[in-house]
Formats: sequence, C-alpha cells, structure tokens
Amino acid sequence: AQSVTQPDIHITVSEGASLELRCNYSYGATPYLFWYVQSPGQGLQLLLKYFSGDTLVQGIKGFEAEFKRSQSSFNLRKPSVHWSDAAEYFCAVGAGAAGNKLTFGGGTRVLVKP
Amino acid sequence: DSGVTQTPKHLITATGQRVTLRCSPRSGDLSVYWYQQSLDQGLQFLIQYYNGEERAKGNILERFSAQQFPDLHSELNLSSLELGDSALYFCASSVTGGYNEQFFGPGTRLTVL
Repeated sequence: AQSVTQPDIHITVSEGASLELRCNYSYGATPYLFWYVQSPGQGLQLLLKYFSGDTLVQGIKGFEAEFKRSQSSFNLRKPSVHWSDAAEYFCAVGAGAAGNKLTFGGGTRVLVKP
Repeated sequence: DSGVTQTPKHLITATGQRVTLRCSPRSGDLSVYWYQQSLDQGLQFLIQYYNGEERAKGNILERFSAQQFPDLHSELNLSSLELGDSALYFCASSVTGGYNEQFFGPGTRLTVL
C-alpha cells in the first residue's frame, strides 16, 4: 500500500528566508505526486504536481518541487518566504488503478516570523 | 475559490443521529471525491464517484454512504454518529476519474456531541 511521510510536523522560518519541506513516499509503481496548501479555515489548494517528465516542477506562489526517484522524495522549496505562506502543507501521492485516490502525508505546519 | 461548493459549512449534532453533507462539483467535472480530515487520522480518502457510479472506495465506514446524482452533485450520508466522527469533511472534483488534479471545496466541519 502507498504511504507518504512528512518528517517535519512544524517548521518556523523568518520572512525572506528560504523554505524546504520534506516529503518521502512509498509506492510500487510510478508515483503521481502533489503538494497542497491549506490555510486556516480553508480548503486545500494545489501548489504543484508531478506526473512525468522534468523532475523539477514549478508551481504557483513561487514554489517548486523536485522529484528524486532514487530517494523516493518530492521536496517542496521556496527561495524567499512571505508572511502569507504561513499555512499547513500536505504532500500526496495518487494511487489506485487510475491514480484517483490521494494518499496524504501528515502535513507540515509552517510558521513565518516577521 | 475552487468552484467546488459544500453545504453546510458547519454541522453540530448528537451521537446516534444521521446527517447529510452536500457537494456540488466544478462545472464540467464528472468525478467527485470525499475525504475526511481529523486530528488523529489526518486526511483520508473515503470514496469516489464518476458520472454517477462508484469508482473507488477507501477507508469509509459501513455507517457512511454516498451517492452522485444525475446533475453530478454528491451527498455523503453519515448515520449512527459517534464522537469520533467529528471531523472536517472535504469534497473534491476533477474532470475525469483518472490522473487529474482534484479541486477541493472549503469543507464541512462536523461536530458530534
């Protein structure tokens, strides 16, 4: 069965500093990988996705992620964090016969210091 | 705004009761997914419907059921509610049922007292 691990439950970063969120997955076939962000009281918004091709994917809000098959990782990065990036971030893998079930990691809550 | 709507936004009920959560997918999306987000279980996939038919099932309890209607809106029915069913229930939709981006609604927060 597929699984996703986000090792960091909380991360605190200063505004303007870089951010990296870790994600490791376990899945027997080619993974379909996603990063979602959840702001307080909001639903989930897709930041970026990896289906195939270039292993470095660009997303919205200045985020990017790199797929590393050898490390089973899909880490999310942002060069310079803004206060509005404070939120919870979820990594997910698409599974099932048609990739239709999303299995989510436990999430990483990001706090941004002024 | 994702284009996915969910009603009600909040629901407070008692143990043993039954509730219905409603979801309207984005215009043109044929597939609807239900997820449960709770503190102890995290975000879990419950069930998926595609064009009115059940497509995939996850960790959905037998006390829970769902359906998708001809106009493509979906309802999630939760019965014999227990304290542990208190959670945020998300609906998501996608164009088809396969490898597609899922757009999430704002969720329904269910509190069982």
